[in-house]
Amino acid sequence: GDSVTQMEGPVTLSEEAFLTINCTYTATGYPSLFWYVQYPGEGLQLLLKATKADDKGSNKGFEATYRKETTSFHLEKGSVQVSDSAVYFCALSDQRTGNQFYFGTGTSLTVIP
Amino acid sequence: DGGITQSPKYLFRKEGQNVTLSCEQNLNHDAMYWYRQDPGQGLRLIYYSQIVNDFQKGDIAEGYSVSREKKESFPLTVTSAQKNPTAFYLCASSVLKDRGWYYGYTFGSGTRLTVV
Repeated sequence: GDSVTQMEGPVTLSEEAFLTINCTYTATGYPSLFWYVQYPGEGLQLLLKATKADDKGSNKGFEATYRKETTSFHLEKGSVQVSDSAVYFCALSDQRTGNQFYFGTGTSLTVIP
Repeated sequence: DGGITQSPKYLFRKEGQNVTLSCEQNLNHDAMYWYRQDPGQGLRLIYYSQIVNDFQKGDIAEGYSVSREKKESFPLTVTSAQKNPTAFYLCASSVLKDRGWYYGYTFGSGTRLTVV
């Protein structure tokens, strides 16, 4: 079945460092891929998405490219800020399975000044 | 602005009590979902509903019940049969028709349930 595997955290970075959070997926169809962010004590917010191969999603300086050949959707940011400290979830949705979402286990990021 | 409202934000339950968590959306979304999140862990699906008066069990439905009498509302009851209910509960919704898969889920801000 469909699934998402995320790199385990926690990740601790200094401000202005480069961020990569790895995400790979398994799907039988052609899923849409998402990154969600969860700030402490809050729900999940959509950060970015990509709906077909080679699409790049971007928002707030974060980027991720849908790589069908490597079944990956890694999240990157060139220069992190303290305010980026949160938990990041990779997810996929496959319309062939009725829009059921599959989430990764989340990666906690802490950015220190 | 449209969105999902979960209430209360914090809830305390005594042993043996049933409690109900509210989830209301004004997005005109077809489907609604309940997830449980434990510290340091991912999301686990409890129940979901794709249409009024119909719902399906997720991965961890035991000890929980839901209803979907209105499109806008999907309350979750945590029953006394749920032995370890302390967790963060998240409600979400999505569009099913047309290109609903394109938009993903919209989440509420969560309810933190603690057994005292």
